Amino acid sequence: EVQLAQSGAEVRKPGESLTISCQGSGYTFTNNWIAWLRQTPERGLEWMGNVYPDDSDTRYSPSFRGRVTFSADKSISTAYLQWSSLQASDTAMYYCARRTVVALIEYFDYWGQGTLVTVSS
Amino acid sequence: AIQMTQSPSSLSVSVGDRVTITCRASQAIRNDLSWLQQKPGKAPKLLIYGASTLQSGVPSRFSGSGSGTAFTLTISSLQPEDVATYYCLQDYNLWTFGQGTKVEI
Repeated sequence: EVQLAQSGAEVRKPGESLTISCQGSGYTFTNNWIAWLRQTPERGLEWMGNVYPDDSDTRYSPSFRGRVTFSADKSISTAYLQWSSLQASDTAMYYCARRTVVALIEYFDYWGQGTLVTVSS
Repeated sequence: AIQMTQSPSSLSVSVGDRVTITCRASQAIRNDLSWLQQKPGKAPKLLIYGASTLQSGVPSRFSGSGSGTAFTLTISSLQPEDVATYYCLQDYNLWTFGQGTKVEI
């Protein structure tokens, strides 16, 4: 069974750093890109970007480039989302999702359970 | 950036009703569209991809249609467990979600 297990909820102060994780199981982790997505009541669901676990290649949404960093450790089937300096506006639920491509059709077929990040002084 | 506009933003229906949700793209996106369902407190779940292909395990009362700029998600006979927010998602150029349609009974 394909599963993406995300790390637990985090509370940080503005300016602090943070890394959250997404561990895949039940499939060959290096065969699929992992997407990171943000959800807030104000802006809804937003695609942040993708990381390819096999070589750590990355694609960033223009809205998030320079604000976050994606990485992956294929030896432990885990992808990461990192902030170097959090802002209150980073308060959100963050999801990872597996990107699958079949006959040029793409979709996010499996999702992690979400990691709630709260940034407050 | 491609904008996705869903309508309606919410609807209240009865069990057994036929439900139709529309998603319009700001430019043609072929059939590069999926539909997701999100129940309260849960992660989104893929229902349909490629505009009309039902994801494995999804009940056949869900169907999708459309191409280009106009797309539709239909629930043929709403069940209590279908109470959720539904999102369209385009992958023609990067990825953009619609704002969601909340379905209540």
